[in-house]
Amino acid sequence: GAVVSQHPSWVICKSGTSVKIECRSLDFQATTMFWYRQFPKQSLMLMATSNEGSKATYEQGVEKDKFLINHASLTLSTLTVTSAHPEDSSFYICSASRSGGTYEQYFGPGTRLTVT
Amino acid sequence: QQQVKQSPQSLIVQKGGISIINCAYENTAFDYFPWYQQFPGKGPALLIAIRPDVSEKKEGRFTISFNKSAKQFSLHIMDSQPGDSATYFCAASTAGYQKVTFGTGTKLQVIP
Repeated sequence: GAVVSQHPSWVICKSGTSVKIECRSLDFQATTMFWYRQFPKQSLMLMATSNEGSKATYEQGVEKDKFLINHASLTLSTLTVTSAHPEDSSFYICSASRSGGTYEQYFGPGTRLTVT
Repeated sequence: QQQVKQSPQSLIVQKGGISIINCAYENTAFDYFPWYQQFPGKGPALLIAIRPDVSEKKEGRFTISFNKSAKQFSLHIMDSQPGDSATYFCAASTAGYQKVTFGTGTKLQVIP
């Protein structure tokens, strides 16, 4: 149990366009979902925390108008990268925690975004 | 104060040997310390985790040692196998907050 999926697994888009990444908890309800960004050979950097039905909380330095996060249901959160530029190319990973406030986060397989 | 420092950055171990990765933290509010394993192009997967009320936790070949007074914890991989070759991240979080702070990662290579 506790499976998190992401779609797409990889995406290539042109500079200036927007791309949406979906994160789904497949077999549990996730009150909270997290979005991370990981550059090659680096650690995961938290971008934002989203709670179902409320606005996301962004980490310092993350542009909320560029990285739009929607957590419309207990099983789905989306990250939209607006007006993407080559420097946005990265590995985006979501995680979800179960309703009930446990510590454990379950991570998705990641989405590789390449902006040309 | 939110940092989790991890060492070494990379590690090469012979098959059958012991791999040891160390982490240190400063925030005494941290009370959950997981270790994640990540293969290239994949998301991290929880390997083992510990709470500060115990000094050691063992699951199969993987053991976490925890030193609360020193604010340090480490991962030991016994009988290391080539399939263990991956990047390992230590992490820490706080009760009720769930935000996870990751270490910088250790790339482990187990050679035959």
